[in-house]
Amino acid sequence: QLHQSGPGLVKASQTLSLTCAISGDSVSSNRAAWNWIRQSPSRGLEWLGRTYFGSKWNYEYPFSVKGRISIKPDTSKNQFSLQLNSVSPEDTAVYFCAKEILHSGPNRFAPWGPGTLVTVSS
Amino acid sequence: DIQMTQSPSSLSASVGDRVAITCRASQNINNCLNWYQQAVGKAPNLLIYTASSLQSGVPSRFSGSRSGTDFTLTISNLQPEDFATYYCQQSCETPYTFGQGTNLEIK
Repeated sequence: QLHQSGPGLVKASQTLSLTCAISGDSVSSNRAAWNWIRQSPSRGLEWLGRTYFGSKWNYEYPFSVKGRISIKPDTSKNQFSLQLNSVSPEDTAVYFCAKEILHSGPNRFAPWGPGTLVTVSS
Repeated sequence: DIQMTQSPSSLSASVGDRVAITCRASQNINNCLNWYQQAVGKAPNLLIYTASSLQSGVPSRFSGSRSGTDFTLTISNLQPEDFATYYCQQSCETPYTFGQGTNLEIK
């Protein structure tokens, strides 16, 4: 299971920070990647990036947010986090964390966290 | 990026009906296609992976198929809990991309 936490209101130009706590699995698992996905009426479901452990920690982000985003694992707390810098009202969305199943056929997201509505105020 | 074009955007049907939702990929993605169901106010939930494999716990009235770059989600014998929004997603390469969704409503 995945449990999300973080503020639901962020001011424009500031940093959005969310955390996803993992139970029943390990953030260091070599059979999983840990993702953030957001959903808004204007953009639909948008993949924001992932982290996963192979022989080292790996990070992947789409071009649309690269340079503004950071996804980091925290092995001591078995969780991972999202930081999105310099937010604008266009970043208002429901943010989901999701486990990506690896090495068992094509990848897929299961389970998802419950979602956090983050509103960026101008 | 791989574009996923989903249709229809909305669909009205009755309990007991059979419906089909399609998703077209902008390039070959082999079987790297997943289907999710999203109830109002909830997170998406995996139904079908690898185009046609049923996720554990999902009823057998849900099925998936592929023809080239076209994928179909079929729901037989619609039940009241099936009225939700459905999304396809390609997992062949990053950035992962989703279809725009199909809102299945009760007629």
